[in-house]
Amino acid sequence: DAGVTQSPTHLIKTRGQQVTLRCSPKSGHDTVSWYQQALGQGPQFIFQYYEEEERQRGNFPDRFSGHQYPNYSSELNVNALLLGDSALYLCASSFDRSYGYTFGSGTRLTVV
Amino acid sequence: DQQVKQNSPSLSVQEGRISILNCDYTNSMFDYFLWYKKYPAEGPTFLISISSIKDKNEDGRFTVFLNKSAKHLSLHIVPSQPGDSAVYFCAASVGDDKIIFGKGTRLHILP
Repeated sequence: DAGVTQSPTHLIKTRGQQVTLRCSPKSGHDTVSWYQQALGQGPQFIFQYYEEEERQRGNFPDRFSGHQYPNYSSELNVNALLLGDSALYLCASSFDRSYGYTFGSGTRLTVV
Repeated sequence: DQQVKQNSPSLSVQEGRISILNCDYTNSMFDYFLWYKKYPAEGPTFLISISSIKDKNEDGRFTVFLNKSAKHLSLHIVPSQPGDSAVYFCAASVGDDKIIFGKGTRLHILP
C-alpha cells in the first residue's frame, strides 16, 4: 500500500517565478494538509483540503494557494516566489485524527 | 506565538537507557496530542498520541504522559535503541483543527 506520494522531490526556482507541488494521499484518506518546514523549525501549517474545499488556512499569504481533486490528490501553488519560500514542503493525508497524519517525504524547494 | 514548545533542541542518551523528551503547550483548548519522529530526507512518521481525557498512553517501548494542569507532556522511550536517533516533534490540535508542531528535539542514542 503506497503511502503519501509527493512530486517532485527537489526543485530549484528563481525569485518571482511560480511553482506547483503535487501530492497523492494514502489510499483511503480524504483529507490533505500542506506544511512548510524551514531549516531547524517544525512544520508550519499552510492549509488543509477536504471534499475539494479549503477547510482551514494557516498564517500564509495569498501567494500560497491549493487545490484538491475528486480523487483526493492535491496541489500547492506558490506565486511570486521569494528567497524565504525556500523550505521543505510536506503533504500529509488523514481520515481520522486518532491515527495521526501520514506524511510524504516532501519536496525540497530552493529559490535562488 | 509558539503554542507548542520543545525547549531542548537536542538530547543524548546511552543505548539501553530511558530517553525522555519534553514538550510544553500554551493553548488550554488543545484536546489531542501527538508525537512524530523524523529521519533525514523523510517525512515525519506518526509515533503515538494521547487524548486530553487520558494522562498516559503506552505503545511498546513508547509511553506518552500528559499533565494538563502543567500543560506539559513527555515521551518516554525504554529501552533506547540506535534506530531511535532522529528528530522528535511534539504536536497538538483542537478538535479536527490543524495540527500544530513544536520545533523538534534531536535525539542521539550513544553506543
